[in-house]
Amino acid sequence: GDSVTQMEGPVTLSEEAFLTINCTYTATGYPSLFWYVQYPGEGLQLLLKATKADDKGSNKGFEATYRKETTSFHLEKGSVQVSDSAVYFCALEDSGNTPLVFGKGTRLSVIA
Amino acid sequence: GAVVSQHPSRVICKSGTSVKIECRSLDFQATTMFWYRQFPKQSLMLMATSNEGSKATYEQGVEKDKFLINHASLTLSTLTVTSAHPEDSSFYICSARSPGGPTDTQYFGPGTRLTVL
Repeated sequence: GDSVTQMEGPVTLSEEAFLTINCTYTATGYPSLFWYVQYPGEGLQLLLKATKADDKGSNKGFEATYRKETTSFHLEKGSVQVSDSAVYFCALEDSGNTPLVFGKGTRLSVIA
Repeated sequence: GAVVSQHPSRVICKSGTSVKIECRSLDFQATTMFWYRQFPKQSLMLMATSNEGSKATYEQGVEKDKFLINHASLTLSTLTVTSAHPEDSSFYICSARSPGGPTDTQYFGPGTRLTVL
């Protein structure tokens, strides 16, 4: 079945450091790919998405490119801030009315 | 963007009681809603898929008689945890699918933290 694998955390970075959170997937079809963010005590918020190969999703300085050849959707940000501290989930949606399949989440802590 | 609300945001109950959690899509009609459970420091585990006007589809290992799901309208789904026990304590999150457009998107509620004493 479909699955998402993302790097285990926690990840601790200093403010203004470069961030990469790796995410790879397996899917039978041509999935849409997502990154969700969960701030402490809150629900999930969509951070960015990409629906086909070579698409780049971006939002709030975060970027991720849908790489079909490597089945990856790595999340990057050039300069993290303390306010980016959260848990980040990579997810895929195979097609139509199917539920999202989530990775296990990566906790990011940014220190000043 | 679309908004999904959950009520209550936090509930504490005694063992053996039942608890109802509401999930509402505030500005769109959601034919499909999903219920997830999240354990501390873990990912979301899909519990069931709720379709308006029909029975929910439960994931393997989820007791349908314990976690009752009702999707009575296009904007409301409810999850009732019956005869709750301490092991049911968790963070319950719903999502609603916004139909139409080239890419359907799920919008998540803020979650309900259930603590069973």
